[in-house]
Amino acid sequence: GAVVSQHPSRVICKSGTSVKIECRSLDFQATTMFWYRQFPKQSLMLMATSNEGSKATYEQGVEKDKFLINHASLTLSTLTVTSAHPEDSSFYICSARGHQDEAFFGQGTRLTVV
Amino acid sequence: EDQVTQSPEALRLQEGESSSLNCSYTVSGLRGLFWYRQDPGKGPEFLFTLYSAGEEKEKERLKATLTKKESFLHITAPKPEDSATYLCAVQSSGTYKYIFGTGTRLKVLA
Repeated sequence: GAVVSQHPSRVICKSGTSVKIECRSLDFQATTMFWYRQFPKQSLMLMATSNEGSKATYEQGVEKDKFLINHASLTLSTLTVTSAHPEDSSFYICSARGHQDEAFFGQGTRLTVV
Repeated sequence: EDQVTQSPEALRLQEGESSSLNCSYTVSGLRGLFWYRQDPGKGPEFLFTLYSAGEEKEKERLKATLTKKESFLHITAPKPEDSATYLCAVQSSGTYKYIFGTGTRLKVLA
């Protein structure tokens, strides 16, 4: 299957700082990538849809200015959590849409804001 | 509104004890139904895509089936390494967004 690499896998940052998470499709081009947030023992909550070369589409209730998404190429999308606070601590996962609409997921990033 | 409901929420099986997980869905027009496996602290791993009622897919001990209202993931003679959370997602016509269920946490005991 297709490979999606997400980096870093874990990050600890201080409150008020920004953190960037990268999501790369390694062996295919992804015109559409998705960013999710997952709380313990809960399912994936879609935050935004990222299309290469255009602005991301955010889900209702997700702050655009806090969660900056950039999809500059067909293989790379980034999520920047700006001015992070402890309540932003969570598991963030990206996915890339394959040729037959299946989603291939990255390994996830555990963000802890202290 | 598009919706996905999975049951049971959690399931404990003895090794070799076959069972089925359920995914009920309501969607305006089904583009595809997807099954994923997720291990703790990891991203979901793609298992199957089903597109139309009556379709079946198999992979090792897993078999996925689809009707117009629900999908089943059958696990035959499970092993402890099958322990994971199994997620179901649907994609409706006209969008590439996935709607996920809350998952079934499966524990297979040796």
